Formats: sequence, C-alpha cells, structure tokens
Amino acid sequence: GAGVSQSPRYKVAKRGQDVALRCDPISGHVSLFWYQQALGQGPEFLTYFQNEAQLDKSGLPSDRFFAERPEGSVSTLKIQRTQQEDSAVYLCASSSDRGPYEQYFGPGTRLTVT
Amino acid sequence: LAKTTQPISMDSYEGQEVNITCSHNNIATNDYITWYQQFPSQGPRFIIQGYKTKVTNEVASLFIPADRKSSTLSLPRVSLSDTAVYYCLVGDYGQNFVFGPGTRLSVLP
Repeated sequence: GAGVSQSPRYKVAKRGQDVALRCDPISGHVSLFWYQQALGQGPEFLTYFQNEAQLDKSGLPSDRFFAERPEGSVSTLKIQRTQQEDSAVYLCASSSDRGPYEQYFGPGTRLTVT
Repeated sequence: LAKTTQPISMDSYEGQEVNITCSHNNIATNDYITWYQQFPSQGPRFIIQGYKTKVTNEVASLFIPADRKSSTLSLPRVSLSDTAVYYCLVGDYGQNFVFGPGTRLSVLP
C-alpha cells in the first residue's frame, strides 16, 4: 500500500516568503507528526495531531510556524516570512494508534531559504 | 525527559554482527525503547521496539537488561546496505520522542 507522501520534495524560497508543505499520511492513521531535521542532526519534534486535533505544538520554533489537519487526514505545515535558519528537511510521520512508537515517515521536504 | 547516549559512529565489515548500545539512565517506568534507521535523503524507518528483556524480529534483536538503563540493538550479518544512521529513542510522543544525533554505521566490504 501507499506510504506517507510529502510534497513538494524540494522547495527553494526567498527570505520573507511564505511556504506550505503538504503531508499525506497513510490512510486510516490517526496520529500525524511533523519534524524538522537539520543537516547531520536527528529529527526534532515540531507538532502532533490526533485526528484533526493538534494535541502538542510545543516544538514549533516560533509563531511563524503553523500546522493544520482540518479533516483528520492531509496536513499542511506553513511557514510564514521564511528565514535562513528555517532551511532544513521537514519530515512528516503517521501512526495507527495513540501510542505512536511505530511511526511511518515520509521522504521529507527539503526547504532552502536564500 | 529521558535522554539517550549512543556512539556517534561505528565501522563494521560485511557479514559481521553489529551491536549498538544506547544508554538511557533516567528512563521512566512507562517508557518504551524504540530504534529507527535512516538512509540519506529518506525519512527514518522503524526497526524494533521493546520494553524489557529481549525482542527479535526479522531485521534485528533488541536486548534490554533488567534495570532498563541501557539497550543494545543487534544487527546480524550486516551488509553494505545496512550503512545508515541508527537512532535510539526512549519515550512516547511529542517532546518526549527525542531522536538525538544517532549512530552512523559504516559497513565496509
């Protein structure tokens, strides 16, 4: 079956532009997670949804970052007024139950802010 | 927040067994231990998860001593394709699900 997909795979934005990153989780997966991964580092948690409810957004680095999952399926991570320090790979993962130890990750979106 | 410590890098040769040990001294009672594998330009992939003693699946084994303050991921007979970064995680989700820098395993021919 289809895994987690993310689009676009690569995004180049000029500093100050807004970007929107899309995640299509595995069908039926209740939980959805966003991570940010800097070069050479492990993924860092950003936010977590259970169905359409955003239960934890403590990892979002600033109020320029916003995530939504309005129908409990597809999710969008939006970054407003991008800065160079936002350059990273943004990973989306989904899991089938509340205890999300086995998360299925997408390939990520590589964002480069110039 | 349970912190994990694992070697930054390891080298091995094809056909050998590789053991990667992770320390997690302040693991909580309800924390599970989970290992992920990540190849370049891909998202992490779940390998194995355990709570105590030993867990084995088709890919790896996970050994957890009684005090649960450490765990060892065992990869039998590694091949070149096992070259990747391996992450040990302790916790459940959200801010408690911390990947850390991982162990970069290089398998040599």
